[in-house]
Amino acid sequence: NAGVTQTPKFRVLKTGQSMTLLCAQDMNHEYMYWYRQDPGMGLRLIHYSVGEGTTAKGEVPDGYNVSRLKKQNFLLGLESAAPSQTSVYFCASSTSTDTQYFGPGTRLTVL
Amino acid sequence: KQEVTQIPAALSVPEGENLVLNCSFTDSAIYNLQWFRQDPGKGLTSLLLIQSSQREQTSGRLNASLDKSSGRSTLYIAASQPGDSATYLCAADTGRRALTFGSGTRLQVQP
Repeated sequence: NAGVTQTPKFRVLKTGQSMTLLCAQDMNHEYMYWYRQDPGMGLRLIHYSVGEGTTAKGEVPDGYNVSRLKKQNFLLGLESAAPSQTSVYFCASSTSTDTQYFGPGTRLTVL
Repeated sequence: KQEVTQIPAALSVPEGENLVLNCSFTDSAIYNLQWFRQDPGKGLTSLLLIQSSQREQTSGRLNASLDKSSGRSTLYIAASQPGDSATYLCAADTGRRALTFGSGTRLQVQP
């Protein structure tokens, strides 16, 4: 099992550009999450999903959109990137009762 | 709104010492409390998950305790080793299956 994978690993954008981050899991988990981590801080929840076709806002959802068209994939989109979105983005997945399993992260820089 | 605090922010100890990392949370209505390890430039690895009905969990040299009434959890590491050097994050699950993280304790174990 690959667990949770994230694509790409690194990305540099210019202000105003758009991009999509892909998260994939092969553990048949119902729940998936997107977090961001800024230097010296813990992770903050952006959006999450409790099943295929469902999404919900987390703590810091502004400027991001998500989609869960397939159970194994969770996409995070930035429609118009801003320097404040420079961060490391982590995806995670879980069952309804177990701990969360995290991907390796995507390091995004917005110039 | 749940807030999670970790003290100290950084800790350096000689190899072989026993040590305690602290985590406090403001809302005692949690479903569980989780501890993670993060190595530099990597994702998070789950260490221990304590359900709200439990008082502690153990895994090898690690022991985590939970006191909901006081809003505190501790992670005890016995006989520390240089390989334990990492950032340790605690996170509270307040029922949405989405976690609220502390900012972490960066641990350095000196050989």
